[in-house]
Amino acid sequence: GENVEQHPSTLSVQEGDSAVIKCTYSDSASNYFPWYKQELGKGPQLIIDIRSNVGEKKDQRIAVTLNKTAKHFSLHITETQPEDSAVYFCAARGGGSQGNLIFGKGTKLSVKP
Amino acid sequence: KAGVTQTPRYLIKTRGQQVTLSCSPISGHRSVSWYQQTPGQGLQFLFEYFSETQRNKGNFPGRFSGRQFSNSRSEMNVSTLELGDSALYLCASSQLRGRGSQETQYFGPGTRLLVL
Repeated sequence: GENVEQHPSTLSVQEGDSAVIKCTYSDSASNYFPWYKQELGKGPQLIIDIRSNVGEKKDQRIAVTLNKTAKHFSLHITETQPEDSAVYFCAARGGGSQGNLIFGKGTKLSVKP
Repeated sequence: KAGVTQTPRYLIKTRGQQVTLSCSPISGHRSVSWYQQTPGQGLQFLFEYFSETQRNKGNFPGRFSGRQFSNSRSEMNVSTLELGDSALYLCASSQLRGRGSQETQYFGPGTRLLVL
């Protein structure tokens, strides 16, 4: 089955710097890769997603890149702000009939003012 | 459009009891998935329902079960609770579910279950 590895587990940056979180997956048939942000006491909130026919997607300060050959995808946050502090999860969904997401272990991002 | 709602938000039970959690998906969404989140294991898939049918099941014991109603609302049940069942239970909904679906899943706030 699918396995998703996420690094780093914790990341601390200064306000205004960029943050990068990387994930690798094992199932070459996976075709959908969302990123979620989870704040304390809340459910995961989708921040951006990418599908296998796209190599890069950007939404304001957030971008995601996908390398299907290497089976890895990354989240890039530019000009970080204190409100970006949260736990970020990457996930992958296989290309078969099963629709569940397989999640990475999460990255706790701290943005210091 | 209202988001995914889950009730109750918090629950305290004792070992051996059973519990039922409820999830109302976003209006128009027909697929509901359940996940368990714990500090040690992270987010783990429990099961998925689409049009009142369980389509996929994760690696959890039979004490965990669920169902979906004709209005797409879903419930999950855990019988004979164990201490290790303490977790945040999350429900996610998506609009469609086809083979190789790339549909976005939207999560609710979760139900935090504490088993004493």
